Amino acid sequence: DQQVKQNSPSLSVQEGRISILNCDYTNSMFDYFLWYKKYPAEGPTFLISISSIKDKNEDGRFTVFLNKSAKHLSLHIVPSQPGDSAVYFCAASARTSGSRLTFGEGTQLTVNP
Amino acid sequence: ETGVTQSPTHLIKTRGQQVTLRCSSQSGHNTVSWYQQALGQGPQFIFQYYREEENGRGNFPPRFSGLQFPNYSSELNVNALELDDSALYLCASSFGTGGYYGYTFGSGTRLTVV
Repeated sequence: DQQVKQNSPSLSVQEGRISILNCDYTNSMFDYFLWYKKYPAEGPTFLISISSIKDKNEDGRFTVFLNKSAKHLSLHIVPSQPGDSAVYFCAASARTSGSRLTFGEGTQLTVNP
Repeated sequence: ETGVTQSPTHLIKTRGQQVTLRCSSQSGHNTVSWYQQALGQGPQFIFQYYREEENGRGNFPPRFSGLQFPNYSSELNVNALELDDSALYLCASSFGTGGYYGYTFGSGTRLTVV
């Protein structure tokens, strides 16, 4: 039962353009969502998060949008840079489950110079 | 401020053997969580330790066990290794047990079972 899904295994964009990574979830108990970035041979690093009481959160070039009715969130990166090339994981947490995170399968983003 | 360190970085074991993976928490963190990341998949929650007690467990069999020590470091033990146990094992430390505090992940231990 995959409760968090990232349907695009890979995404390729040109430097300077927008990257949009998508994530869907099925568990309505999830109330906090996070995006992590992972480079090869490193652990995931926290990027940005959003609480279910909000529909948007911005941090510099990164914006996360949450559509609760559709159980969908997206990460926008503008402008994209070659250093953004990495695997991006969407993760979700439910208050009732403490700090356990449920991850999606990841999307490999490649930003071409 | 030191981050999360895991050892060893790589390990090859034979099916049926036992393995112990180690994790040192980030300074100031008192909670450790372990995740298994199979190839092409996202990390899956194994269990979490808080105040030296197991505080939540994912869908993993009892041959996966753990320990947390008074200095908040942790071990993951896997008995009777199976080929499907081959994966990247990630340790994450945090302060407190609420998901809102966020994790700091280590770089992982790559376990190969042959």
